[in-house]
Amino acid sequence: GEDVEQSLFLSVREGDSSVINCTYTDSSSTYLYWYKQEPGAGLQLLTYIFSNMDMKQDQRLTVLLNKKDKHLSLRIADTQTGDSAIYFCAVNAGNNRKLIWGLGTSLAVNP
Amino acid sequence: GAGVSQTPSNKVTEKGKYVELRCDPISGHTALYWYRQSLGQGPEFLIYFQGTGAADDSGLPNDRFFAVRPEGSVSTLKIQRTERGDSAVYLCASSSLAGVNEQFFGPGTRLTVL
Repeated sequence: GEDVEQSLFLSVREGDSSVINCTYTDSSSTYLYWYKQEPGAGLQLLTYIFSNMDMKQDQRLTVLLNKKDKHLSLRIADTQTGDSAIYFCAVNAGNNRKLIWGLGTSLAVNP
Repeated sequence: GAGVSQTPSNKVTEKGKYVELRCDPISGHTALYWYRQSLGQGPEFLIYFQGTGAADDSGLPNDRFFAVRPEGSVSTLKIQRTERGDSAVYLCASSSLAGVNEQFFGPGTRLTVL
């Protein structure tokens, strides 16, 4: 079945860039998403990319998509302590609206 | 409020009991989704509704789980004969059918089966 994999932990210093990586198996996914989950808060959509794009920039966030390798990354520039959270990669399953999720990457930002 | 709401926020029950979890989606959102999230895991898809009908229920783990959305708005997830393995946070999301399928999530219901 469909699968999404992410590294589990990332630690960076404040002000550095963070890069969170994700690989997926379903080549028919049309939208790929990055969600953020903070303690005690709901999942929040950060950004998304359509499968016919290879890059999307949104303020401090840059999403790169390598469709051939089924690899997605999220770069956060100038990472702040407020960026500490769990980041989930999610893809839609083919033409279906349900989302398949990775386990999440826990980002720790050290002052 | 304008967001997705879920009640109760916490539910503790005993093994074998029946529970109902409620979701109020964002007004006007046609699509409604149920996921569950265990500790240290990503959300796991359960079911999604388009209007009143279940468009995809392939994620329901077994026939103890059932969900309804009779008027195309509020949805209830029902779990019969609860088991300890059902303990998780149950998440509800809603979206419009247009655009990029941005799913807006509620805060979840934490279910603990003793």
